[in-house]
Amino acid sequence: QKEVEQNSGPLSVPEGAIASLNCTYSDRGSQSFFWYRQYSGKSPELIMSIYSNGDKEDGRFTAQLNKASQYVSLLIRDSQPSDSATYLCAVLLGNFNKFYFGSGTKLNVKP
Amino acid sequence: DAGVIQSPRHEVTEMGQEVTLRCKPISGHNSLFWYRQTMMRGLELLIYFNNNVPIDDSGMPEDRFSAKMPNASFSTLKIQPSEPRDSAVYFCASSFDTYEQYFGPGTRLTVT
Repeated sequence: QKEVEQNSGPLSVPEGAIASLNCTYSDRGSQSFFWYRQYSGKSPELIMSIYSNGDKEDGRFTAQLNKASQYVSLLIRDSQPSDSATYLCAVLLGNFNKFYFGSGTKLNVKP
Repeated sequence: DAGVIQSPRHEVTEMGQEVTLRCKPISGHNSLFWYRQTMMRGLELLIYFNNNVPIDDSGMPEDRFSAKMPNASFSTLKIQPSEPRDSAVYFCASSFDTYEQYFGPGTRLTVT
């Protein structure tokens, strides 16, 4: 089992819809969780971090963390074609300071 | 403030040659990470430093790879000798402690 798992997609949503991206992780000792966006040919760009159970909102983005179920998700409201990219979930294992990235989910927002 | 700076942006070399990639982290950050990204394997952590000290190098693929951080504002990743399978995009990222990492633009390495 991989430390961090994501559905590779592609996930296609129409413009204006809500895009829901999910990520599961294997280690219950994980403490910190991050979402990155990567456009083709570019470097990963930090979107949000979340450290405690519940929701965290930043503009059109909402990160959700459920440590009991070991998943973290990212919701993008009012999706725009410019949101089309690969979204990477990253997890920091607290005890060992090991950082793992998922393989990413490709999101296509259709005009 | 400038972001993470990497050089060169592109490198094409022949098998067997030595390759050195360079990184300047964001000022004030005390952690530095080297990653490799390929289509097949995704984004892999190679090594990370905290306060200039290597903390975890378990991702370094083999002895041909080495990394140094002589001071807080500079790090190198060296491959000697290079092989075609080393072709990838190499990213450097920095953070304060091991929290939110900020990535450089990457170095696209092609080994022929």
